[in-house]
Amino acid sequence: NAGVTQTPKFRILKIGQSMTLQCTQDMNHNYMYWYRQDPGMGLKLIYYSVGAGITDKGEVPNGYNVSRSTTEDFPLRLELAAPSQTSVYFCASTDGGRPPDTQYFGPGTRLTVL
Amino acid sequence: GDSVTQMEGPVTLSEEAFLTINCTYTATGYPSLFWYVQYPGEGLQLLLKATKADDKGSNKGFEATYRKETTSFHLEKGSVQVSDSAVYFCALRGANSKLTFGKGITLSVRP
Repeated sequence: NAGVTQTPKFRILKIGQSMTLQCTQDMNHNYMYWYRQDPGMGLKLIYYSVGAGITDKGEVPNGYNVSRSTTEDFPLRLELAAPSQTSVYFCASTDGGRPPDTQYFGPGTRLTVL
Repeated sequence: GDSVTQMEGPVTLSEEAFLTINCTYTATGYPSLFWYVQYPGEGLQLLLKATKADDKGSNKGFEATYRKETTSFHLEKGSVQVSDSAVYFCALRGANSKLTFGKGITLSVRP
């Protein structure tokens, strides 16, 4: 059982480049989330999804886009990378209980924008 | 809005020492409270949780009690081990069902 997987583990981008961070979960969870973790700042929610075809903004959505075409996948897109997007990105998922219960996290993607 | 405040770190302890990590929160309604742990190079994983006042969450020798009167959820362990070295995050799930995290605190345990 793989849980939540993320690719790539590390990436260096130049300013203005674009990329997609991949996230897949095999637990049939409805809810999925993208966070960024900056040093000493905890985790901030970027976007989340409550099911295939449904996404919504979190606390810090600017500069990012998401899509949710399947239950399993929740990619995060950076269109024009900026140094302020240097961070560690975590994807998480949880089941559809009321309220949604424990979130399961992927191992993270460390992104540097130079 | 919802917020979580953790004590400032880092914390360095000797093996078998007693650990307390303070966490207080601000939220409307009746949030659920969590402690997540992040080991080096890994994602976060749930350590323990409590869903209502006076509940005690426990796991791997760690404990935390949901104190509504003091809006606190302090993490404790009676005897830490080197393998407990990690970053610890306090979090709450509020009325909007989203998690709000504290800044995290790094614990280093010396042999």
